[in-house]
Amino acid sequence: DQQVKQNSPSLSVQEGRISILNCDYTNSMFDYFLWYKKYPAEGPTFLISISSIKDKNEDGRFTVFLNKSAKHLSLHIVPSQPGDSAVYFCAAKSSGDKLTFGTGTRLAVRP
Amino acid sequence: DAGVIQSPRHEVTEMGQEVTLRCKPISGHDYLFWYRQTMMRGLELLIYFNNNVPIDDSGMPEDRFSAKMPNASFSTLKIQPSEPRDSAVYFCASSLTSSYNEQFFGPGTRLTVL
Repeated sequence: DQQVKQNSPSLSVQEGRISILNCDYTNSMFDYFLWYKKYPAEGPTFLISISSIKDKNEDGRFTVFLNKSAKHLSLHIVPSQPGDSAVYFCAAKSSGDKLTFGTGTRLAVRP
Repeated sequence: DAGVIQSPRHEVTEMGQEVTLRCKPISGHDYLFWYRQTMMRGLELLIYFNNNVPIDDSGMPEDRFSAKMPNASFSTLKIQPSEPRDSAVYFCASSLTSSYNEQFFGPGTRLTVL
């Protein structure tokens, strides 16, 4: 049973526009959420995180939004750049528990 | 620092063979994690060590999988016997703390079991 779901396997966006990557979860005990970015032939790298006590966290061009009632989070990238083309993984955890990852969304930013 | 080093980068083997994946964490990191990535399940944490001691191996899929960390600079993940469904990319990561924000991942080993 996939507790963290990324229903869009891929997304294509024009350079300069907004990229919105979505993630849904089923476990109401999750209280910490992370996004990772992965380039081909490399390991994932941590991008941004958010605690369940917040509904928004911003870091430069990257903003993560959390809607606890809908069990939904999203990653916004504004403006999108070609270097943002990568696979993005959403992950979630509850206190004392291990990370659960989604299956990833491949973002392609067109020049 | 060279980062987390994994070997081999690619491994092709036949069903039933033993496979050993290797990882050298970043020097000074006390935590080491093994992950598996598949298309169907995404990234899964298999096991992690703290100061060379296995802390949580609940993600290890079955007894065919075993992991060791004989010292602070080396870890292995072994599959014996291997099966086609073990085909995946296996990542090793290390960190100074248990915080997931601070993990550094290696480039991964792509395993194909025929």
